[in-house]
Amino acid sequence: NAGVTQTPKFQVLKTGQSMTLQCAQDMNHEYMSWYRQDPGMGLRLIHYSVGAGITDQGEVPNGYNVSRSTTEDFPLRLLSAAPSQTSVYFCASRLANTGELFFGEGSRLTVL
Amino acid sequence: KNEVEQSPQNLTAQEGEFITINCSYSVGISALHWLQQHPGGGIVSLFMLSSGKKKHGRLIATINIQEKHSSLHITASHPRDSAVYICAAGGSQGNLIFGKGTKLSVKP
Repeated sequence: NAGVTQTPKFQVLKTGQSMTLQCAQDMNHEYMSWYRQDPGMGLRLIHYSVGAGITDQGEVPNGYNVSRSTTEDFPLRLLSAAPSQTSVYFCASRLANTGELFFGEGSRLTVL
Repeated sequence: KNEVEQSPQNLTAQEGEFITINCSYSVGISALHWLQQHPGGGIVSLFMLSSGKKKHGRLIATINIQEKHSSLHITASHPRDSAVYICAAGGSQGNLIFGKGTKLSVKP
């Protein structure tokens, strides 16, 4: 099993550009989530999904969009990038809402 | 007040020392997670526990549900244990609230 695969690892954007962070897992996990990690702050939940076709907002959803068309994939879209979205992004999955968490390797995004 | 508080924020130890990192939470939880993040690296799950104690190698995690407190212990610490250790409280809805992390540096 590859676990949780997250791409790209690094990305530089200009303000106003859009992009998609990809996240895929091959463990048949129901629960997938996106977090951002900023210096001095804990991981913060952006969006999450408890199964295909179901998504919901987390703590910091503004400026981000998600979809879950399959169990495996959970892409995160930045619609119009802003410097405040400069961060490290992590995708994670778990079998159910009480299962062990598996993280992707992270994506470092810089918005100029 | 943060719902998940970790202490200390930073910890420097000599190789071989016994290390304790604490986590207190103010929310009701279904499980408490301990995670490890190496510099520039990804995040790995160490433990998930809802009661009692778990041990894996030199790592021990305990939780006291009544006191809403968990500890992560590292016995015979080694420089390769240097990392940020994060606790996260999981509610019944499945979402987690993360502490800010404890940065551990173990000197040889």
